[in-house]
Amino acid sequence: QITLKESGPTLVKPTQTLTLTCTFSGFSLTTSGVGVAWIRQPPGKALEWLAVIFWNNDKRYSPSLENRLTITKDTSKNQVVLTMTNMDPVDTATYSCAHYYFTSSKANVFDYWGQGTLVTVSS
Amino acid sequence: TVVTQEASFSVSPGGTVTLTCALNSDSVSTYYYPSWYRQTPGQPPRTLIYNTNIRSSGVPDRFSGSILGDKAALTITGAQVDDEADYYCVLFMGRGISVFGGGTKVTVL
Repeated sequence: QITLKESGPTLVKPTQTLTLTCTFSGFSLTTSGVGVAWIRQPPGKALEWLAVIFWNNDKRYSPSLENRLTITKDTSKNQVVLTMTNMDPVDTATYSCAHYYFTSSKANVFDYWGQGTLVTVSS
Repeated sequence: TVVTQEASFSVSPGGTVTLTCALNSDSVSTYYYPSWYRQTPGQPPRTLIYNTNIRSSGVPDRFSGSILGDKAALTITGAQVDDEADYYCVLFMGRGISVFGGGTKVTVL
C-alpha cells in the first residue's frame, strides 16, 4: 500500500524559506520510472505542478518557479524535501506530494497523493 | 505554456459530457501523455485516465479518454450525481516537466 504524507510549517512569513518534507511508504525511490512530485493548490484555485525528483536523482522544476525551488531525496529515510525561497502571500496554498510514474506503458501519472498541507504566508 | 480547460460544465444525470484539454502552443497528441484526475472538496485528486485513454484501476467504464481534434478529451457517459467534481488534465511537456490544466467544474443536475 502506497502512502505519502506531507509535513512542514503551516505559517511562514514573507521572504522566509519554506521547507516541506514528504514521507512515503509502499514504494522505493530507487525503482526505475518512479518519481515523487510536488503540486500545490491555492484556495479555490487550480492545481499547479512544482517539481519532481526521479529514481536516478534527476530533478525537474516548473520554469516559472525554478529559481526558487530545490528538491532533494533521502532514499534511506523514504523522504523527499522541497524548499521554496522568498515566500510571498501569493504562495499560500495546499502543498501536496505525489507518487509519479513514467514508463513506456504508464506515463505521466500521479497515481498516489498525500492529503496535502496548507501553508499560509502572512506577516 | 498554458493548458486550457473549460471552466465549468453542467450535465443531467444519465447524460454525457465531454471535457477538453488544449495547449496554447501546439495540438495535443498522445506524445503529451495526457492524464485526467477528479477532485472533490477537501480530497486529493484521484487518477481517472492516463496515457490518453487507459483507465486507472477501479475507474468505471463510463469514463473514457481520447484525442478529439487537437485536444485531449475526457468523456463521462451516463453521468451520476457522484461525478460532480473538479476535473483536471495534465500534459507532459518533455524534459520531465508536467503542466496541469485550469480544471473544469462539473455539475450534475
